[in-house]
Amino acid sequence: SQKIEQNSEALNIQEGKTATLTCNYTNYSPAYLQWYRQDPGRGPVFLLLIRENEKEKRKERLKVTFDTTLKQSLFHITASQPADSATYLCALSNSGGSNYKLTFGKGTLLTVNP
Amino acid sequence: ETGVTQSPTHLIKTRGQQVTLRCSSQSGHNTVSWYQQALGQGPQFIFQYYREEENGRGNFPPRFSGLQFPNYSSELNVNALELDDSALYLCASSGGISGQETQYFGPGTRLLVL
Repeated sequence: SQKIEQNSEALNIQEGKTATLTCNYTNYSPAYLQWYRQDPGRGPVFLLLIRENEKEKRKERLKVTFDTTLKQSLFHITASQPADSATYLCALSNSGGSNYKLTFGKGTLLTVNP
Repeated sequence: ETGVTQSPTHLIKTRGQQVTLRCSSQSGHNTVSWYQQALGQGPQFIFQYYREEENGRGNFPPRFSGLQFPNYSSELNVNALELDDSALYLCASSGGISGQETQYFGPGTRLLVL
């Protein structure tokens, strides 16, 4: 069955450092990989999407890589700030249409210490 | 532009009862997806509605059912509630059924089954 693993349940880093979160998957050939941020008691908020034929995507302090051979995505937050503290979710989707499905990992709780 | 809204915010039910959760999609969106998020887990896909028709379903029993209305708002109905149904129920709207569509999540309804 399809499985998504996010490398750690919790990650603590110092302000200003780069946070790196990992998402590994098995038994899946996703067309797209997405990263979401979720704050306590709130719904997830979309951050970035990367396609299966893309290696890297950037948005401001965020960078996502996607290696379909390793079946892995890395999510980086550079110059991290305490306001970046949240749970980050990796999600895979197929091409959509009548067989649409979005599958999430359990998430990694990131804490940025001042 | 109005975001995704859900009602109620919290709900307490007892085993065997039935519940209806409601979602208003973001303006201009014709697609609504429902997810169940247990504590400490990522969201799990329940089903998706596109232009009032069910378009894709996750691994949930038939007692989970839904509707989408002509204005694209949606309901999630759960019959014969079980203790394991206690979770945060998230609704997400999008502009279509492509796998690369951004999902805009509501704040969720927290359901407690006693």
